[in-house]
Parts: sequence; structure tokens; C-alpha cells
Amino acid sequence: SQKIEQNSEALNIQEGKTATLTCNYTNYSPAYLQWYRQDPGRGPVFLLLIRENEKEKRKERLKVTFDTTLKQSLFHITASQPADSATYLCALDGDNDMRFGAGTRLTVKP
Amino acid sequence: DGGITQSPKYLFRKEGQNVTLSCEQNLNHDAMYWYRQDPGQGLRLIYYSQIVNDFQKGDIAEGYRVSREKKESFPLTVTSAQKNPTAFYLCASSILAGRYEQYFGPGTRLTVT
Repeated sequence: SQKIEQNSEALNIQEGKTATLTCNYTNYSPAYLQWYRQDPGRGPVFLLLIRENEKEKRKERLKVTFDTTLKQSLFHITASQPADSATYLCALDGDNDMRFGAGTRLTVKP
Repeated sequence: DGGITQSPKYLFRKEGQNVTLSCEQNLNHDAMYWYRQDPGQGLRLIYYSQIVNDFQKGDIAEGYRVSREKKESFPLTVTSAQKNPTAFYLCASSILAGRYEQYFGPGTRLTVT
């Protein structure tokens, strides 16, 4: 069956460090992969989209990689700040929908 | 001010009652989605609609009903047949179905006792 796994439920890092979150998938061949941020009690907010033929995408302090051979995406936040604390979800395109991972809760400590 | 709205923010119902959650968007998006989120879990797709007057079941459609009579509206009814209805419900829309970024509403937290 199709499965999306995000590396851990929670990740704690010190302010200023780089946070790296992992999204692994099995039995999928997605053409697109997206990352969202979700704050407690709120809806997710779109951050970045990467296509299968793109190795890397950047937006300000965010960087996403997509390795279709490893079936993995890495999401990096450089120079992390306490305001980056949130849950981050990866999502893969299906036939006519998107399927989401369970998310990784990131806490950036000052 | 474009966006997607859900109402109410919090909803309480007695077991055995049907309840309808509202979702409206003014983004002129064709596709709309309903997800359920339980603590510590990801988003699970309930229903989605690619276009007006059309909708498809997602992974957990049992006990739920939807309609899509207008492009901007996609209400979700949680029926008494849904075994564990207490959850956080999220509505989303995208310009077209599939790989396009989704815009989410603020969510409705439903509690059934």
C-alpha cells in the first residue's frame, strides 16, 4: 500500500541551527511533492512545491530536495528562529488529490 | 480579500445527530477538498470535488456526505453513521484537482458527546 513517512514526530533544535526534516514514501511515483506548515489549531499553509525533474528548490531560508531514486524529500530551514516552530507536512500528488504525511513538529529553542 | 472560510470554529453535537460544516471560497478554484485530522495524525481525505456537481470519495468517506451545487461552496455533513466523528475538520481548495497547491480554511473542531 502507499505510504508517506516523516522522519520523526518531533524535532528540537537550537536557534540559528539548520533544521532538516525528512519525508519518505513507498509505492508512489509522484510527479510533484509539496511542503506545508501548520500551526496549532489552524489550517496548513503552502510553502514549496518541487517537481520530479527538479533536484532542489529554494525560497528564502527554505530548501527542499527531491530524490526519486531514494523516494525521499529533505526540507531544510537554515538560520532557524523560534518563529519557525510549527508542524511541517509533506504531501504527494495522487490521481486527482494530494496525500499528506503525519507531519514533524519542529521546536526551535532560543 | 480572497480566501477560504469555514464555520463555525467550534461545534458541539449530541451523538445521533447529523451536523453540517460550512466551507466557502472566493478564489474561483475548481477543486475543493475535505480532510479530517486527529491528534498526532496526518490529514485524511474524506471527499473531494473537481468541479461543480461532481465529487469523489476519499479514503474515509463512510458516514459523511457532501454536495457541490455552487463553485464556491462545499458543505460537509457528518451523519450519525460516522463512528468517531470528534475531530478537526479542514476544508481546502486548489485551482484544479491534483498537484496544485492547496489553500486551507481555518478548520472546524467538532466534538460529539
